[in-house]
Formats: sequence, C-alpha cells, structure tokens
Amino acid sequence: EDQVTQSPEALRLQEGESSSLNCSYTVSGLRGLFWYRQDPGKGPEFLFTLYSAGEEKEKERLKATLTKKESFLHITAPKPEDSATYLCAVQGVKAAGNKLTFGGGTRVLVKP
Amino acid sequence: NAGVTQTPKFQVLKTGQSMTLQCAQDMNHEYMSWYRQDPGMGLRLIHYSVGAGITDQGEVPNGYNVSRSTTEDFPLRLLSAAPSQTSVYFCASKHRFGYNSPLHFGNGTRLTVT
Repeated sequence: EDQVTQSPEALRLQEGESSSLNCSYTVSGLRGLFWYRQDPGKGPEFLFTLYSAGEEKEKERLKATLTKKESFLHITAPKPEDSATYLCAVQGVKAAGNKLTFGGGTRVLVKP
Repeated sequence: NAGVTQTPKFQVLKTGQSMTLQCAQDMNHEYMSWYRQDPGMGLRLIHYSVGAGITDQGEVPNGYNVSRSTTEDFPLRLLSAAPSQTSVYFCASKHRFGYNSPLHFGNGTRLTVT
C-alpha cells in the first residue's frame, strides 16, 4: 500500500528565512508525486508534478526535488503570503481509480 | 473558467438525514472524484468517475452514493448521515483517467453531522 509521511507538521519562519519541507514516500511504482498548497477554507491548489528521481521544478520562491524515497519542497526567502499548508501526494502504478495518497501536510507560517 | 464548483460551502445535518453535495466542472474533464479530508488522516478517495455513466468506489465508499449523468456534474449523496461523516468534502477533476495530469480541486463543503 502506498504511504506518504510529511515533516515537520508545522513550521514557523521569519520572512526571508529559507527552509525545506520533507515528503517521504513508499510506493509500488511511482507514476507521479504531486505538491499542493492549501489555504484555510480552500481546496488544494496544484503546484508541481515530479515523475522521476533527480527531477526538479521551480515556481517563484518554491523548488521541488525528488529522490527514490523522498521529495523536498524548498522555500527560498519566504514572504508572509507563502503561509499555507503544503500537501504532498503520490500516485502509484497500482493505485485503484487513479487514487492519490496524501500526506498529512506541513503548516507553514511566515512572520513579517 | 470557474474550474470546479462545489455547493453548499457549509452544511449541518442531523443523524439520519440525507443530502446531496453538488459538484460541477467546466473544463471538459472526463475524470472526476470525491475526497474527504479529516485531521490526521489526509485526503481519502470516496468515489470516482472516468466518464459520464461510469462510476466506481474508492478507498472509503461506505455511506455514500454517486452518479454521473453528464460530463460536467458529479453529485455525492449521503442517504442517512452519521456523525462519522463529519468532514470536509472535496470534489476534484482531471483531464482523463490514467493520465499523470494533476487533480484540480473545488473549495470544499464542510459538513457537520450532529
């Protein structure tokens, strides 16, 4: 069964203080690893898809990387508007119904 | 494009009552799905549909029914609500079943069953 664990559960940062979020996963065969951002009272908003180890993707202050066991979301020089919960999810090749298996998320608070 | 639209945003039910959560998408996506989000449990797949007229069960289907009469709409029905169904429900869609394209989520319905 596919599993995803995210750490830390919560992260408090000062504006400009760079940090990384971890997503550890086990999957029978990886079809894709997805990062989402979720604001309070809203649905998850798609950020990145990674398909194979060594792949990296960037968007503004966010950079996602992938190894065979983990993915990292690096936040460089964060701003208060980067405060949100970040969700990691995997889709395995054997996932019934194209199910995404989600981690519990990392709540990020960036203080000015 | 409105994307994925869910109604209502909030709902309170008493045990045993029934209701339908509405979901509509305007992106011509073939694949639609329902997830529930609970603290400490992550998002879990309830039901999904790969096209009009075709639905199937996900990870936690008990207590829920779905139908897909059009490409745009995918309602979720609770026939007899239970307190264990208190959750936030998200509808999500993507272009096609089997593709690695990302899911697009609605803004959710927060349901409380007393």
